[in-house]
Formats: sequence, C-alpha cells, structure tokens
Amino acid sequence: AQKVTQAQTEISVVEKEDVTLDCVYETRDTTYYLFWYKQPPSGELVFLIRRNSFDEQNEISGRYSWNFQKSTSSFNFTITASQVVDSAVYFCALSEAPWGQAGTALIFGKGTTLSVSS
Amino acid sequence: GAGVSQSPSNKVTEKGKDVELRCDPISGHTALYWYRQSLGQGLEFLIYFQGNSAPDKSGLPSDRFSAERTGGSVSTLTIQRTQQEDSAVYLCASSSRGAGGYQETQYFGPGTRLLVL
Repeated sequence: AQKVTQAQTEISVVEKEDVTLDCVYETRDTTYYLFWYKQPPSGELVFLIRRNSFDEQNEISGRYSWNFQKSTSSFNFTITASQVVDSAVYFCALSEAPWGQAGTALIFGKGTTLSVSS
Repeated sequence: GAGVSQSPSNKVTEKGKDVELRCDPISGHTALYWYRQSLGQGLEFLIYFQGNSAPDKSGLPSDRFSAERTGGSVSTLTIQRTQQEDSAVYLCASSSRGAGGYQETQYFGPGTRLLVL
C-alpha cells in the first residue's frame, strides 16, 4: 500500500535559520514519483519539485534543496536561510506510475506547517 | 487561461441540498483530478479523468458524489443531498498526459470552500 508520512506537524523557526522538513514514503512499486507542494495562507497548492524513483540526485533551487534517499525511503526538503514568506503548509506526495497507465492520484502526507518569524 | 480555475470560490449550502462545483483545467491538459481537503482527513483523491477514457472513481466516498467532464475540458463535481461531513475544500488539478511509467506534474486550482450547514 502507498503511504506518505510527514512526522513533523508544526515547525517554528526564526528568520535566517535553516529548516528541514522530513518525508518518508512507502510503496511496492519500483517506478514512482515524489513531489513537494507548498500551500501558503491563500490556500492554493503550489508545485515545488518532482523526482522520479530512478533519479537519486539531490537537487538545489535557490534556497531550496531536496535529498532523496531510496535506502531509507525518504525525500527531505531543506530551506536555507528561511524567510517569513516561507511560512506555509508543505506537503510531500507520492504517485506510482504503473506501465500502461497514463496517470495516477497523488497520495499526500498530512503536511508540515512551517512558521517563520522575523 | 494560465492556470486551473475553479468556481465558486466559496459555497454555503443547507444540509440535504445538491451542489455543483466547477473546474476549468489548464488549456491542453488532458488529465483532470478532483481532491478534497478537510481538517480530519487531509488531502484525499476523489476522481480522475484522462482524455476519453473511463474515469477512475475509486476515491469517491459515497454514491452521493459524481463528476463529469464535458468535451474533454471543463469538469463538474456534483454532491447530492449534502451532509455536514461534506464540508471541505474541493481542489481540482490538471496535468498533461503521461505515458506508461511516466507521471506528469499535477497543477492545482485555488479550490472551492464548501460549508454545509
């Protein structure tokens, strides 16, 4: 069965601190995708990154970086030098990509609420 | 349009009434998904449309929920005889067509906040 666990319900940091959001997933498939979405107070889910199961390279985009480790089934997200605008709920999600099927639903974690104070 | 649009933004209804929620996907996207976000259940998948294929309805919580997609574009989610537990934010997402073993990114609309009194 598919499952995504975000053990941290809430995190509070002060501006300029680094923060890591944890994501652990479960799947039986060998081909799958992992995603991170941001949900600011406005409510809209904003796509941040997609990673497939065959690409374990870490990725950096500005202050954001992602660490994908298949050995521990984790896909952690780090924000460097956090800012107040980073305050949001962050969701990790998993989708399987079975051969012959064009798309599948996302399975979301419960989300981590990040509060960055000035 | 540039992104996924949904209407109405907010809907307040009385228990027992029917409601219709609309989603307009990103132009050119063939896949359309409905999800529900509630405090107790988090984000849950409801239904998925891909082109002209039969929809994947595996996430619909009861037979009071149905959805259709006309002309491969706009979709309407209908909830009949609404109950208070239906109160949630209903999110629509669209993606371009993936292929076997390849999953496209889903882009989300702003959601419809439904309150059943």
